[in-house]
Amino acid sequence: NAGVTQTPKFRILKIGQSMTLQCTQDMNHNYMYWYRQDPGMGLKLIYYSVGAGITDKGEVPNGYNVSRSTTEDFPLRLELAAPSQTSVYFCASSWTGGHGKPQHFGDGTRLSIL
Amino acid sequence: GENVEQHPSTLSVQEGDSAVIKCTYSDSASNYFPWYKQELGKGPQLIIDIRSNVGEKKDQRIAVTLNKTAKHFSLHITETQPEDSAVYFCAASTASYDKVIFGPGTSLSVIP
Repeated sequence: NAGVTQTPKFRILKIGQSMTLQCTQDMNHNYMYWYRQDPGMGLKLIYYSVGAGITDKGEVPNGYNVSRSTTEDFPLRLELAAPSQTSVYFCASSWTGGHGKPQHFGDGTRLSIL
Repeated sequence: GENVEQHPSTLSVQEGDSAVIKCTYSDSASNYFPWYKQELGKGPQLIIDIRSNVGEKKDQRIAVTLNKTAKHFSLHITETQPEDSAVYFCAASTASYDKVIFGPGTSLSVIP
């Protein structure tokens, strides 16, 4: 099994550009999450989804958008990229709402905004 | 909402020694406490978890303890090896949450 796959692995953007970070999972998990991890910091939740067609904001949603049209895919969209969005982005999935089952993480997308 | 604190932020131990990482949580309704290990350049990976109806759980060299009264839980790694060097995250969640709240992480270095 591939698990959670994130693309691209690295990306450099200019200020004001936009891009989509891709995330797909092959475990048929209902729940999917997007986190950002700044250097030396923990994981901050950006958005999450409890199933296809349902999304909700996490702790730091400003500047991002998500959609969930299928169970497998949960893309994260950055509009008008800003230097403050330089970070490592992780996608994760789990069977239930995380309260009883572990989350499975991808290996991240390292994004720099210059 | 839930808040998870984690100490220490960095920890260095000699190979073969034990390492202990401690976390506290704020929401007394939290009932699931996973621990994740993040190696350089990789995503976090679950290493052990514990639920509120259990006080201790062990898996080979790794053990986790939970004190619900004090709202503390700890990760214990015995006989540390260089490959244990990584960042470790504790986390907490409740049945009413769709989310898991992570601690800020502990960078563990095992010196050969």
